[in-house]
Amino acid sequence: QSQLQESGPGLVKPSETLSLTCNVSGGSIGGNNYYWGWIRQPPVKGLEWIASFYNFGSPYYNPSLRSRVTVSVDTSKNQFSLDLSSVTVADTAVYYCARSLKEGTDDAFEIWGQGTMVTVSS
Amino acid sequence: QSALTQPASVSGSPGQSITISCTGSSSDVGGYTYVSWYQQHPNKAPKLMIYDVTNRPSGVSNRFSGSKSGNTASLTISGLQAEDEADYYCNSYTSGNTYVFGTGTKVTVL
Repeated sequence: QSQLQESGPGLVKPSETLSLTCNVSGGSIGGNNYYWGWIRQPPVKGLEWIASFYNFGSPYYNPSLRSRVTVSVDTSKNQFSLDLSSVTVADTAVYYCARSLKEGTDDAFEIWGQGTMVTVSS
Repeated sequence: QSALTQPASVSGSPGQSITISCTGSSSDVGGYTYVSWYQQHPNKAPKLMIYDVTNRPSGVSNRFSGSKSGNTASLTISGLQAEDEADYYCNSYTSGNTYVFGTGTKVTVL
């Protein structure tokens, strides 16, 4: 059973780029057809889907964030990453990485990281 | 894309059944069978409870069930227990190959 762990800076300055990594253990990212994703949750607010991707396809993004988001995967390190550029205080949130329930489908995330809090502040 | 609409709160007594609605449009909930539900306890990661409208992942209690009618999906919790007190979020695939979450519902066990 895979386990996911987010890592990255807890504080980012406005206008800079937020960069997070999700380390995957208990399974190889490159050795299967699971979908992977990023979801965030601002303080005392609801969940917001950011992006999903599949090893052999193009990522797809939340339209409201598309111009600022990039996701990538490093199969040699068994991790994937999120970059969010030009951040503002509105990007302050707990960021989760997740893995799909089934291989080949992306409609439900079964395995989640514990989440990492990122604060945007000068 | 706008968040799917859920009631802010739903409550019930132990043993009762409650239903949480999730209303979207023909471009999301009404147009696809890719609706999922997540349970989130305070300061915890979400947990998948229902996928593909009606299916339960392994290990999820059969007290949780999902359904859909038109543009509205629903999650029913039967035999309500204290441990069910949490926030619940629906999620749906949308046209344009994206996903959208609901606004979230706080379930209180009286």
